[in-house]
Amino acid sequence: KQEVTQIPAALSVPEGENLVLNCSFTDSAIYNLQWFRQDPGKGLTSLLLIQSSQREQTSGRLNASLDKSSGRSTLYIAASQPGDSATYLCADGNNNAGNMLTFGGGTRLMVKP
Amino acid sequence: NAGVTQTPKFQVLKTGQSMTLQCAQDMNHEYMSWYRQDPGMGLRLIHYSVGAGITDQGEVPNGYNVSRSTTEDFPLRLLSAAPSQTSVYFCASGPNGEKLFFGSGTQLSVL
Repeated sequence: KQEVTQIPAALSVPEGENLVLNCSFTDSAIYNLQWFRQDPGKGLTSLLLIQSSQREQTSGRLNASLDKSSGRSTLYIAASQPGDSATYLCADGNNNAGNMLTFGGGTRLMVKP
Repeated sequence: NAGVTQTPKFQVLKTGQSMTLQCAQDMNHEYMSWYRQDPGMGLRLIHYSVGAGITDQGEVPNGYNVSRSTTEDFPLRLLSAAPSQTSVYFCASGPNGEKLFFGSGTQLSVL
């Protein structure tokens, strides 16, 4: 059974820092990997999706990488802002269409002004 | 665009009652799914559908039924609610193999 782990579970940084969130998965036969953001009491918003044939995706200050051989993905946030404070979840798509997602437990990020 | 709409936002049930959580999307997505989110357990897939008339079980399907008669709607039915079904439920949709769009969730308490 696929397991997805996110470390650390919580992270507090001062505004302006560059930071890296980690995601590891046990089965490298994934279809895709997706990073989400969840604000308290809200649904999830997809930030980046990396197909299994890709190595990375970028959107603004966010960059996500995928290394299937080592079972790892990272989300890099540049020049963090207080508005980045949220929980970040990674999830891998592990069926033929990549739709069945297995989620990690999330990293709760606080960016202090 | 309304995106993915879930109703109700909050619900309290007594043990043994039945109810239906509604989910509708206006993006013509083939794929729809239901997740539950519990503290310490993360998000777990309950049921999913890859198109009208097609449904399948996820990781935690027991106690829940689904149907997909139209592309737009994917209701989740609790047949006989149990306290273990107290959770936050999320509906999600997307093109097959692409980014998922989530609804805002339904907070369900079963007493």
